[in-house]
Amino acid sequence: QVQLQESGPGLVKPSETLSLTCTVSSGSIGGSFWNWIRQPPGKGLEWIGYVYNSGNTKYNPSLKSRVTISLDISKNQFSLNLSSVTAADTAVYYCARVWGGGFNFDHWGQGILVTVSS
Amino acid sequence: EIVLTQSPGTLSLSPGERVTLSCRASQSVSSSYLAWYQQKPGQAPRLLIYGASSRATGISDRFSGSGSGTDFTLTISRLEPEDFAVYYCQQYGNSLYTFGQGTKLEIK
Repeated sequence: QVQLQESGPGLVKPSETLSLTCTVSSGSIGGSFWNWIRQPPGKGLEWIGYVYNSGNTKYNPSLKSRVTISLDISKNQFSLNLSSVTAADTAVYYCARVWGGGFNFDHWGQGILVTVSS
Repeated sequence: EIVLTQSPGTLSLSPGERVTLSCRASQSVSSSYLAWYQQKPGQAPRLLIYGASSRATGISDRFSGSGSGTDFTLTISRLEPEDFAVYYCQQYGNSLYTFGQGTKLEIK
C-alpha cells in the first residue's frame, strides 16, 4: 500500500517561497505521476501540477509562472516550490499519486496546512 | 480548461434515502477520465469512482457512477451515517486536471 506524507513549514511570509516535500513509502516512485493539489480553507480542490519519471512536469496554467515541482528518485520524494506567495495561497496542500495507467488520484497524503502571513 | 459544475451545492437527507449527485462538464469528457471523491472534515479526499463507473478498491457497492459526454452522476443507493460528506467530481482533459466545486451531503 503506497503511503504519502507531506512535510514543510506551516507558516510562510508574503512574497517568499513556499517549499513542501512529499515522501512516498511502500512503493517505487517510478512509473507514476506525482501531484500537488491544494484546498483553501472552506473551499474546493485545485490541482497545482505533477512531475513524472525523469522530471517531466505539467502545471496548472493559473500557477505556472510561480510553480516548480521536482523529483528525487533516490529519496523517494518529490517537492513543490511556489514563489511570491500571498494570503491567497493559504491552503491545505496535498500530495497525491496518479498511477501511470490512470487519470485519477488514487493515493493521497494527509495534507499540510500552510498559512501565508507576516 | 474544462469546467465542472456540480449540483446541488448542498443536500439535506436522512439515512436510508437514495441520492443522485450531478456533475456537468463545459465540454465533452471521456468517460475514462471522470472520477468521484468523498471528503470528510479534516481528511484528504478518497477516490470512490474512476472511469465514470468503476468503483475503487474497498468502496461499497452502495456507490455507483454513470454518465457520458457532459453529464455524469454519482448515486448512493442507501445513505449510511458515514456517507454524509462533501463529494467532488474530477476530470482529466487537455493535459490538465480540474475538480467540480463539490456537493455537501448533510444529515436532515
